[in-house]
Amino acid sequence: DIVMTQSPDSLAVSLGERATINCKSSQSVLYSSNNKNYLAWYQHKPGQPPKLLIYWASTRESGVPDRFSGSGSGTDFTLTISSLQAEDVAVYYCQQYYTTPSITFGQGTRLEIK
Amino acid sequence: QVQLQESGPGLVKPSETLSLTCAVSGYSISSGYYWGWIRQPPGKGLEWIASVYHSGSTYYNPSLKSRVTISVDTSKNQFSLKVNSVTAADTAVYYCARRSIADDYWGQGTLVTVSS
Repeated sequence: DIVMTQSPDSLAVSLGERATINCKSSQSVLYSSNNKNYLAWYQHKPGQPPKLLIYWASTRESGVPDRFSGSGSGTDFTLTISSLQAEDVAVYYCQQYYTTPSITFGQGTRLEIK
Repeated sequence: QVQLQESGPGLVKPSETLSLTCAVSGYSISSGYYWGWIRQPPGKGLEWIASVYHSGSTYYNPSLKSRVTISVDTSKNQFSLKVNSVTAADTAVYYCARRSIADDYWGQGTLVTVSS
């Protein structure tokens, strides 16, 4: 199994400031034949299903605000929220789908307002 | 608008079978993609359980494979999950989801509690 490890486990950021969440995979999720990273990011709020934010490591899902961005390649990835809004309080998960349909998630990062 | 809706008992006794169904609207399962189940135990993270391809091929998390069955009914445009011999560790919110590239459409989730 590919193990996904996120850091930090929790994060407190002031409104309007930048939030950065890291995700590391135990093996590369870059598929050489198409040069795509099989890595997604989700936002999960209480009482709601997870929401897909980013796929292919850096492609924003339709309707996702452009303050959310993804970067990285191979085994190291980052989700950045450029200017934190109150509605961004949530738990964020990375997911590898390199081995789809078998997929694995990171343990989650809880994002709060400082 | 693609929508998924889970249904099934909210309470299951230990050692019995948990059965859930996911009804899909706005998209025909037989047209493509993987359809699967993901769960979240209280206070824990997300765990993939199983997926079924539109063709009917099935895939399971190795840690659960011996107890889990996923199936699809294209005539009703729905897919189902069965987990046998449940214990308290199977208590969780169960989500169904569609995977095109990543998991882009999810049901609202249903809480299943295993308790006598």
